[in-house]
Amino acid sequence: DAGVIQSPRHEVTEMGQEVTLRCKPISGHNSLFWYRQTMMRGLELLIYFNNNVPIDDSGMPEDRFSAKMPNASFSTLKIQPSEPRDSAVYFCASSFGLAPAKEQYFGPGTRLTVT
Amino acid sequence: GESVGLHLPTLSVQEGDNSIINCAYSNSASDYFIWYKQESGKGPQFIIDIRSNMDKRQGQRVTVLLNKTVKHLSLQIAATQPGDSAVYFCAERPNFGNEKLTFGTGTRLTIIP
Repeated sequence: DAGVIQSPRHEVTEMGQEVTLRCKPISGHNSLFWYRQTMMRGLELLIYFNNNVPIDDSGMPEDRFSAKMPNASFSTLKIQPSEPRDSAVYFCASSFGLAPAKEQYFGPGTRLTVT
Repeated sequence: GESVGLHLPTLSVQEGDNSIINCAYSNSASDYFIWYKQESGKGPQFIIDIRSNMDKRQGQRVTVLLNKTVKHLSLQIAATQPGDSAVYFCAERPNFGNEKLTFGTGTRLTIIP
């Protein structure tokens, strides 16, 4: 299995631009999690889906952030408009069911830099 | 608010020696803790977990100790190897059934050959 796949691996954009991060979960997993990691705040859960339905989006920082999961094999996290403070590494993770956190498998992350 | 933090941001250990990474947590209601390893350019990887009704749990070369009295968690890695070089961070679960973990910022462990 290829594991969780994220694209792009690196993204540099200017403030005000729209950014779309993509994730393909492990085949057969039906829960998907989006995290953000910064030096100051560590790893934070933004939103998670179960069976393509958003379950908890209380971690989404503000309305500029949105996430979708149109099918079981694809999810996007969109930031519009982007701001320098959005610079971080964004991770996607997947699991089978709403399993305990230890059974979440993380992707390699997307490093976002907003200038 | 509640938070999880680490005492040491960096740690260098000679290959073959044991290492100890510490973590302080502030939510006394947290019932479950996890240690993760994160190598450069990769996502976090589960190492070991422990429930609040335990004070020690051992895995392969790793041991997690939990001291609820002082809200302290530690990860011990025995006979360290170059492949152990990574960032390690702990996470706490606020209560059973709530899988929204609170993560620490991490300690960078460097194994010196």
